[in-house]
Amino acid sequence: EPEVTQTPSHQVTQMGQEVILRCVPISNHLYFYWYRQILGQKVEFLVSFYNNEISEKSEIFDDQFSVERPDGSNFTLKIRSTKLEDSAMYFCASSRTGGNNQPQHFGDGTRLSIL
Amino acid sequence: QQPVQSPQAVILREGEDAVINCSSSKALYSVHWYRQKHGEAPVFLMILLKGGEQKGHEKISASFNEKKQQSSLYLTASQLSYSGTYFCGTIGGSNYKLTFGKGTLLTVNP
Repeated sequence: EPEVTQTPSHQVTQMGQEVILRCVPISNHLYFYWYRQILGQKVEFLVSFYNNEISEKSEIFDDQFSVERPDGSNFTLKIRSTKLEDSAMYFCASSRTGGNNQPQHFGDGTRLSIL
Repeated sequence: QQPVQSPQAVILREGEDAVINCSSSKALYSVHWYRQKHGEAPVFLMILLKGGEQKGHEKISASFNEKKQQSSLYLTASQLSYSGTYFCGTIGGSNYKLTFGKGTLLTVNP
């Protein structure tokens, strides 16, 4: 069964450094998402992306965050100048279309630890 | 506005049943149910659409009461593998962003 893949599985970075989290969505999916889960808390929406542009973003997704689809398969989340509070599990998800009846399939996540 | 899940936690013995509720103060277009095991990604279970339908997935089923803006997840004859945190995610508009509840921790003991 096709799945969303994320790399790396764990990223440790010094505060203030930039990180890039990578995702390969399911190949025939058109909508892509990033979510974040701080340890022990709920999953929080960051951003959705369709047709090479952001379609929705949350208040968490401020100027330090950016997303990109650099080629036909990868979808990246960049965090500039990381802060301690950015430590969390970051999940990429994709859905075939954008309808309310479309399941969003999650990758296994990248655990980001900011020191 | 995030949906409210209840209960926060439930402990079952294998073979027992459980109901997890998810309610919203906003009008909903759909409710998505996921199960997450510790340290893993949320796994999609099912979607309930506006219209009050009920869906099933093995011994796990769910309903959506549009009038009450509430969905319930029913787990019958629970198995050890059902243990995990169950999240409901709601979509309230056309932006397809999932807003998740805080989750219900389900523990099934032998």
